[in-house]
Amino acid sequence: AAGVIQSPRHLIKEKRETATLKCYPIPRHDTVYWYQQGPGQDPQFLISFYEKMQSDKGSIPDRFSAQQFSDYHSELNMSSLELGDSALYFCASSLEGTGHGYTFGSGTRLTVV
Amino acid sequence: QKEVEQDPGPLSVPEGAIVSLNCTYSNSAFQYFMWYRQYSRKGPELLMYTYSSGNKEDGRFTAQVDKSSKYISLFIRDSQPSDSATYLCAGGGGGGADGLTFGKGTHLIIQP
Repeated sequence: AAGVIQSPRHLIKEKRETATLKCYPIPRHDTVYWYQQGPGQDPQFLISFYEKMQSDKGSIPDRFSAQQFSDYHSELNMSSLELGDSALYFCASSLEGTGHGYTFGSGTRLTVV
Repeated sequence: QKEVEQDPGPLSVPEGAIVSLNCTYSNSAFQYFMWYRQYSRKGPELLMYTYSSGNKEDGRFTAQVDKSSKYISLFIRDSQPSDSATYLCAGGGGGGADGLTFGKGTHLIIQP
């Protein structure tokens, strides 16, 4: 069965650079969530999209932005990277209203040096 | 106070034992709850979800929700070494595409 695909799997960037993470949800899923999990931390909700519109916003820094495209894939853009942005970034998708929970991707590990 | 509290462990039990993992929450608006299992360096995978108070069983896993005391539990029967992982509880609520609020996760070790 198709799963949530995230790319790249690993990314190394220098401070003040920009990074773009991509998420391809399960086919027909209409909702995408982004989470950030720092070392030894629980996942923190960043932002979500439903039918290509932002639906909820968590602890996402102003330096980050995200969008969901017409094919439902989503991109998380991160600018002016800081060392503290080093984390595992998870994307999850769901089909709103089904109550089937969320399916997570394997994550993108971002290392800022 | 975090909205979802969870003992980080580690919790170490012998193979075959019944495991009890617990979370408390403070947000009365939560309408549904989920348990995720996360192996090291992997994304969390959904184990169980529940909407209301009571029990839900799926194979060796039973999720229990007590909304009156804001307490959720996950029981694992006949535990296996492959169950060794971090277990995250999460609560969500309201309409629309809300994000989840996670606990910090409990590190479970099943000793062969």
